Amino acid sequence: EIVVTQSPATLSVSPGERATLSCRASQSVSSNLAWYQQKPGQAPRLLIFGASARATGIPARFSGSGSGTEFTLTISSLQSDDFAVYYCQQFNNWPLTFGGGTKVEIK
Amino acid sequence: EVQLLESGGDFVQPGGSLRLACAASGFTISNNAVSWVRQAPGKGLEWVSTITGRGTGIYYADSVRGRFTISKDTSKNTLFLQMDSLRADDSAIYYCARNMGHVTYYFDYWGQGALVTVSS
Repeated sequence: EIVVTQSPATLSVSPGERATLSCRASQSVSSNLAWYQQKPGQAPRLLIFGASARATGIPARFSGSGSGTEFTLTISSLQSDDFAVYYCQQFNNWPLTFGGGTKVEIK
Repeated sequence: EVQLLESGGDFVQPGGSLRLACAASGFTISNNAVSWVRQAPGKGLEWVSTITGRGTGIYYADSVRGRFTISKDTSKNTLFLQMDSLRADDSAIYYCARNMGHVTYYFDYWGQGALVTVSS
């Protein structure tokens, strides 16, 4: 099983600042990585797939990068609507596995 | 518009059974893989099971294999999850999700979830 580790667990950021979230896989997943955003009481929402492709309707301030075992989600200028928990998920191998999440909170 | 609507969540005792349903609209489940993903209270996401569009590929997490059964009724465009021998650690919100990808998958649309509580 591929273990996916996210860091940090919590990220405190001021509105308008840049946020950088990390995701590491225990073995190479090529570019088969997705990012999701989840707000309290809501289902997850797909942000990024294929490591760097934005899903439909996702603002350009969200960007993904990386390949192999190291990945990054960057939010270029945090808006109030962006404070949430973010998960990465590898889809290179079965079983499909998620990271533990990074909570982005208001500083 | 793609929509997924789960039902069947309930309170059940350990060792009991429950059947979840997920009604899909805006797409055809015979053309797309669909999955169940769960989230225990205050915890992260855990993939549970996937069935491919043709139904020939069925996958389970080790934690549920042998106890849960995924199936679908294409005439009703509905996905199911039969959960038997339930344990306390199966308590979670269960989401159904449409899959994208070819051999393995990510999830582009999610339902709002069904709450399953296993407790004596």
